Amino acid sequence: SQQGEEDPQALSIQEGENATMNCSYKTSINNLQWYRQNSGRGLVHLILIRSNEREKHSGRLRVTLDTSKKSSSLLITASRAADTASYFCATKIIQGAQKLVFGQGTRLTINP
Amino acid sequence: GAVVSQHPSRVICKSGTSVKIECRSLDFQATTMFWYRQFPKQSLMLMATSNEGSKATYEQGVEKDKFLINHASLTLSTLTVTSAHPEDSSFYICSAPRSSYEQYFGPGTRLTVT
Repeated sequence: SQQGEEDPQALSIQEGENATMNCSYKTSINNLQWYRQNSGRGLVHLILIRSNEREKHSGRLRVTLDTSKKSSSLLITASRAADTASYFCATKIIQGAQKLVFGQGTRLTINP
Repeated sequence: GAVVSQHPSRVICKSGTSVKIECRSLDFQATTMFWYRQFPKQSLMLMATSNEGSKATYEQGVEKDKFLINHASLTLSTLTVTSAHPEDSSFYICSAPRSSYEQYFGPGTRLTVT
């Protein structure tokens, strides 16, 4: 079953703009991860944020985590056409061993 | 480089036949692997947890007799779709955790049942 929801489901912006995607989840988590998937391809791990962290940066990526609201956001700054992909959050729940449960995903389109 | 491989990357089979998909961890041992299914424009749905040396754990709604999982060794898990039907056509992805915080995904197998 899906852990939560992401919004927006689809986002289209101009190259150079910032893109923000949100993820909500339902149960207590150990960590939350963001992945990118190009059409028909495998997953690329972007960033992991632990439940005791509130914000994390990696290059043009900024992830926040609010465990009280059970939500996370992914910000991509200065977007590029190559950022066009689907983005998924995935949570590792505390009592779920190592399995990850994925959100619905956001389809991001960067227009040149 | 890739640390989890899947084979085949694409397979087309006729309705009623069985298809086996392999998932290998290339440079680490994985006592647990996971199998996901992804329909077009949808998210990944966890199907089952593959456990080396014991039975797989299936998620609710996944038919264990249809999706046979065998974790033959510490680096290999196989998913066999038995008596495949067109509705089984999907993208199947496996993953293997290398540590508590590192989980690697295979490149996926696209199954088309005609």
